[in-house]
Amino acid sequence: DTAVSQTPKYLVTQMGNDKSIKCEQNLGHDTMYWYKQDSKKFLKIMFSYNNKELIINETVPNRFSPKSPDKAHLNLHINSLELGDSAVYFCASSQATGRPSTDTQYFGPGTRLTVL
Amino acid sequence: QKEVEQDPGPLSVPEGAIVSLNCTYSNSAFQYFMWYRQYSRKGPELLMYTYSSGNKEDGRFTAQVDKSSKYISLFIRDSQPSDSATYLCAMTWGTSGSRLTFGEGTQLTVNP
Repeated sequence: DTAVSQTPKYLVTQMGNDKSIKCEQNLGHDTMYWYKQDSKKFLKIMFSYNNKELIINETVPNRFSPKSPDKAHLNLHINSLELGDSAVYFCASSQATGRPSTDTQYFGPGTRLTVL
Repeated sequence: QKEVEQDPGPLSVPEGAIVSLNCTYSNSAFQYFMWYRQYSRKGPELLMYTYSSGNKEDGRFTAQVDKSSKYISLFIRDSQPSDSATYLCAMTWGTSGSRLTFGEGTQLTVNP
């Protein structure tokens, strides 16, 4: 019954490799997000998709490319991985209701990426 | 200067203590304020949500917003060891997919 799920949970890879992280939500939400949390626990938004359309694209290297095949999925592909990409990546989803009290973002469990 | 400032702690208190967590912000466009709780190796979960200045209470938790001072607080009464987590303040200016701007998070430990 997981609401927002991510795979893999842990990812250890070498510099220069390309990797993908997958996210799925079964809440019926229309908006999905990718956040990066660094070693100091600072959580920063990277991308947001609403109904498969990119609506937020923060200053992120273009080695990072999100892809939303449908409303329930938002994947993150990272090319040419660098040491500084090591972090925990969180997927989140929300439903745009126009009422702030119900636009809650629900977070997945995170993917811990380590680049060696 | 960060848009949202939060003391990262760590903060260690005895069980039963009243805990006060705070954030300040610089962007007066922020209208909606949230507190998320994040247990170790888990995703953040929404704890409290507030919109207007004033207090909002939910059980042992009270969220306070002072828009004139650009200051928000979370109080935890009768703190329990199960409250040990990182608490992140977050805020946004709109809804419908608006991005949340988070504070750095305060790591709290409640000792039995």
